[in-house]
Amino acid sequence: KQEVTQIPAALSVPEGENLVLNCSFTDSAIYNLQWFRQDPGKGLTSLLLIQSSQREQTSGRLNASLDKSSGRSTLYIAASQPGDSATYLCACSGSARQLTFGSGTQLTVLP
Amino acid sequence: DGGITQSPKYLFRKEGQNVTLSCEQNLNHDAMYWYRQDPGQGLRLIYYSQIVNDFQKGDIAEGYSVSREKKESFPLTVTSAQKNPTAFYLCASSIDAVRYGYTFGSGTRLTVV
Repeated sequence: KQEVTQIPAALSVPEGENLVLNCSFTDSAIYNLQWFRQDPGKGLTSLLLIQSSQREQTSGRLNASLDKSSGRSTLYIAASQPGDSATYLCACSGSARQLTFGSGTQLTVLP
Repeated sequence: DGGITQSPKYLFRKEGQNVTLSCEQNLNHDAMYWYRQDPGQGLRLIYYSQIVNDFQKGDIAEGYSVSREKKESFPLTVTSAQKNPTAFYLCASSIDAVRYGYTFGSGTRLTVV
């Protein structure tokens, strides 16, 4: 059964810093990996979707990478801003077209 | 604008009551999903439906029921058999999960009183 782990569980950084969030998964037989953002009490907003055949995707200040062989994905946030403060979730889509989620990394960007 | 609408935003349930959470989408997506989120935990799949009039149990289906009579709608009923229903419930949909991933609604927070 797929297991997804996100480390660290919480992260606090000063504004302007570049940062990396980590996601690891146990079963490399995935169709894709999706990064989401969740603000307190809100739903999930999709940030980036990486297909299993891709190595990375970029959107603005965000860059996500995928290494299926090692079971790892990273989300790189450049020049962080207080508005980036949220919980970031990664999720893998497997053979049953279902998502398996990590527990998330709670990011706080200090002004 | 296309999207997923969940209602109500907040819901309170008394002991022994059944309650129904609404999920409506106008994205023309075939597949719909219900997830439960508890504090500090990832989302867990309750039920999913790939097509109208068909649905399957997810990892934590006990105490829940669903129906899929219309493509746009996938309501979730939390029955009295669900002993710990207090949680945040999220509905999602997809047209092609492999190519386009999933779209989520804004959630319903259910509290037992």
